[in-house]
Amino acid sequence: KNEVEQSPQNLTAQEGEFITINCSYSVGISALHWLQQHPGGGIVSLFMLSSGKKKHGRLIATINIQEKHSSLHITASHPRDSAVYICAVPSIQGAQKLVFGQGTRLTINP
Amino acid sequence: GAVVSQHPSRVICKSGTSVKIECRSLDFQATTMFWYRQFPKQSLMLMATSNEGSKATYEQGVEKDKFLINHASLTLSTLTVTSAHPEDSSFYICSATNGVDFWETQYFGPGTRLLVL
Repeated sequence: KNEVEQSPQNLTAQEGEFITINCSYSVGISALHWLQQHPGGGIVSLFMLSSGKKKHGRLIATINIQEKHSSLHITASHPRDSAVYICAVPSIQGAQKLVFGQGTRLTINP
Repeated sequence: GAVVSQHPSRVICKSGTSVKIECRSLDFQATTMFWYRQFPKQSLMLMATSNEGSKATYEQGVEKDKFLINHASLTLSTLTVTSAHPEDSSFYICSATNGVDFWETQYFGPGTRLLVL
């Protein structure tokens, strides 16, 4: 079964800083999800990526399949980016079931 | 984008009662729905996978007689917590997919916070 590790667990930064959140997994996969969970609990899917890099606004996600590692970057961070960011991968290669990281709690101070 | 709703968003009930949570795909047909549970400061844990018209597949350690799942239509799945106890208090989230490649089309509901007194 895939094991997912995220780092850091908690991150506090000032508005405008460049943010990086990392995700490592143990079993080879075809794709990885980055999710955002706001304080109220609702979850939004940010990215699904299988290779290279994807960009959406100020968010950038990269993945290295060979190294089993992905990063989520936030440029020009803003207090509204404060949330828990979660990466998710298939439990085993080819499976529908997801395994979730513990999440990274991001706080951006004004 | 596709929208998944959950109802209720928050529920408080007495110990021993049953609670039903609905998960609806509003603008697409969900062939598969997933039910997750999340305890405070913990990761989401898959409880069961629900396919329209068939019995749900439960994860190890999840009691199927306690957490009844019904996926009677392509837009609705329900989770019923029977004889709820305080330890069932948690945040329940569903997600839905409409394709063979679920990665492309998995959408999450807003979640239901259950508090059992």
